[in-house]
Amino acid sequence: GQQVKQSSPSLTVQEGGISILNCDYENDMFDYFAWYKKYPDNSPTLLISVRSNVDKREDGRLTVFLNKSGKHFSLHITASQPEDTAVYLCAAHDSGYNKLTFGKGTVLLVSP
Amino acid sequence: AQTIHQWPVAEIKAVGSPLSLGCTIKGKSSPNLYWYWQATGGTLQQLFYSITVGQVESVVQLNLSASRPKDDQFILSTEKLLLSHSGFYLCAWRDWGVSQNTLYFGAGTRLSVL
Repeated sequence: GQQVKQSSPSLTVQEGGISILNCDYENDMFDYFAWYKKYPDNSPTLLISVRSNVDKREDGRLTVFLNKSGKHFSLHITASQPEDTAVYLCAAHDSGYNKLTFGKGTVLLVSP
Repeated sequence: AQTIHQWPVAEIKAVGSPLSLGCTIKGKSSPNLYWYWQATGGTLQQLFYSITVGQVESVVQLNLSASRPKDDQFILSTEKLLLSHSGFYLCAWRDWGVSQNTLYFGAGTRLSVL
């Protein structure tokens, strides 16, 4: 089964609003959680990541929230802009580090 | 600066024909290297990883094989393609340490098996 799940295939947000992207995981051993951004016909690039000893990490307009007891993490994008329109992939791995498991992705559309 | 180059950019192949996809990393010594694959509409799946020359670990069995003949080179191949091999193949290297853990992907190879 899917170890990392993004239940929303798509999300539409108005420009200036907050985009909230969600990810659930199954493996208790995961201790690293990341969000990647992917434009069509391009490769994913890392946006932000956290280790399991952190509940929250901010970087500019991006914030990752980690809820280990709920096996859930999310990405909040404040002041969303049309250029934020892309596919957002969540990913996680355990301490072995050599297997990064991705979710299926959520298409974010920020409308002007 | 590190660069990652994948070849070819795209391939159209017949079922049953062989395949070889390549990936080269420059500017990074002894990188951890990865092959990922995404079917159209599917999830990005890790296929293989390699932490050193000559050693490759399989993550998902898809009737594909991988080799690392040189420190900076990672090859994905099969002798007989299946229709199900169609998709987007990505090579990546991992930059990791105390303060970072990032996968850097190549531009990818789009494979169509007919």
